Amino acid sequence: GAVVSQHPSRVICKSGTSVKIECRSLDFQATTMFWYRQFPKQSLMLMATSNEGSKATYEQGVEKDKFLINHASLTLSTLTVTSAHPEDSSFYICSAREAGGAGELFFGEGSRLTVL
Amino acid sequence: AQSVAQPEDQVNVAEGNPLTVKCTYSVSGNPYLFWYVQYPNRGLQFLLKYITGDNLVKGSYGFEAEFNKSQTSFHLKKPSALVSDSALYFCAVSLSGGYNKLIFGAGTRLAVHP
Repeated sequence: GAVVSQHPSRVICKSGTSVKIECRSLDFQATTMFWYRQFPKQSLMLMATSNEGSKATYEQGVEKDKFLINHASLTLSTLTVTSAHPEDSSFYICSAREAGGAGELFFGEGSRLTVL
Repeated sequence: AQSVAQPEDQVNVAEGNPLTVKCTYSVSGNPYLFWYVQYPNRGLQFLLKYITGDNLVKGSYGFEAEFNKSQTSFHLKKPSALVSDSALYFCAVSLSGGYNKLIFGAGTRLAVHP
């Protein structure tokens, strides 16, 4: 099956700094990528939909200036958590939809962010 | 409002016994339904999906699910559970059909005991 890679898998940062998480589709081109956030023992909450070459569409309640999403190519989307605070600590997961394929979504392994 | 419900926080099963993880949905139109599994600190792995056709869908690792339109359910099943099946299972529905953004259920933790 198609592989989606996220990097880093774990990151610890100080409060006030910015952190970038990458999501790559390794063996297919993804026209659309989705970013989710998962709190401990809870379900995934969709944050935003990222389309290659255009601005991301954010879900209600998600601060677009706080969570910057860039989808500059068909194989890479990035999520930047700006001026991170402890409440931003979470597990972030991306998924990608193959361009021209059956449209199935493939998920990355997730990135655990801890803000001190 | 469109939603997915997984009524059980946890399901406990003895190894070798059949297992069922329940899922009901509420969505307008024809739903696309999915089951995913998540192991600790990992992303989601696709198990199976229902789009159209046969109501019984077979997926990865011996899992299957039955689409029941009248009951708006899509329960996940496996005839004989393995300890290695222990994980967090998510049911999801695609809004307005297609492979658009997914709405996930709260998840059900499956614990299979030796």
